[in-house]
Amino acid sequence: EVQLLESGGGLVQPGGSLRLSCVASGFTFRAYAMNWVRQAPGKGLEWVSVINFSGETTYYADSVKGRFTISRDNSKNTLDLQMNSLRAEDTAVYYCTKGGGGFQPFDYWGQGTLVTVSS
Amino acid sequence: DIQMTQSPSTLSASVGDRVTITCRASQTISGWLAWYQQKPGKAPKLLISEASTIVSGAPSRFSGSGSGTEFTLTISSLQPDDFATYYCQQYHNYYTFGQGTKLEIQ
Repeated sequence: EVQLLESGGGLVQPGGSLRLSCVASGFTFRAYAMNWVRQAPGKGLEWVSVINFSGETTYYADSVKGRFTISRDNSKNTLDLQMNSLRAEDTAVYYCTKGGGGFQPFDYWGQGTLVTVSS
Repeated sequence: DIQMTQSPSTLSASVGDRVTITCRASQTISGWLAWYQQKPGKAPKLLISEASTIVSGAPSRFSGSGSGTEFTLTISSLQPDDFATYYCQQYHNYYTFGQGTKLEIQ
């Protein structure tokens, strides 16, 4: 059974940093691209970032480019999102999602972790 | 950037109804479109990929069609479990979601 378990969310002040993690199990983690998707309270879904299977290629939404960094450790089956210079508009539930071999839809999602940016 | 526009934003319907949700892309995305279902407080679930391929485990009353810039999700006979919010997503060039369609009980 595929499982994605996020952690690291919480309350942070504007301008602060937070690191999210996702532990994957139930599939060959090193073979798939992984993504972060977020959802602000009461709003729709926004793709944040993708990392390819090896970790060599990453892409970001314009809204987070230069502030967020996605990374993975295939030896530990973990996906991370380092978030710096956080803004109020980054407040959202952040989901870890499993992709495919390239740009593919997200067939598995974690339960999400809430990040709140507020003073 | 590719923009995705869903219509309607809200849809009221009854159990047994046939409903259709439309998704339009700002430029051609070929058939690289997915549909997701999300219930309150839960993560989205993938229903359809490549515009019309229903994923394993999704009920057969769901179907998708379209290519290029115009796509539809159809539920042939609404069941109580189908009342949720539906999102389209393009994956032709990075990823973009539509704004969502909330399917409500009439």
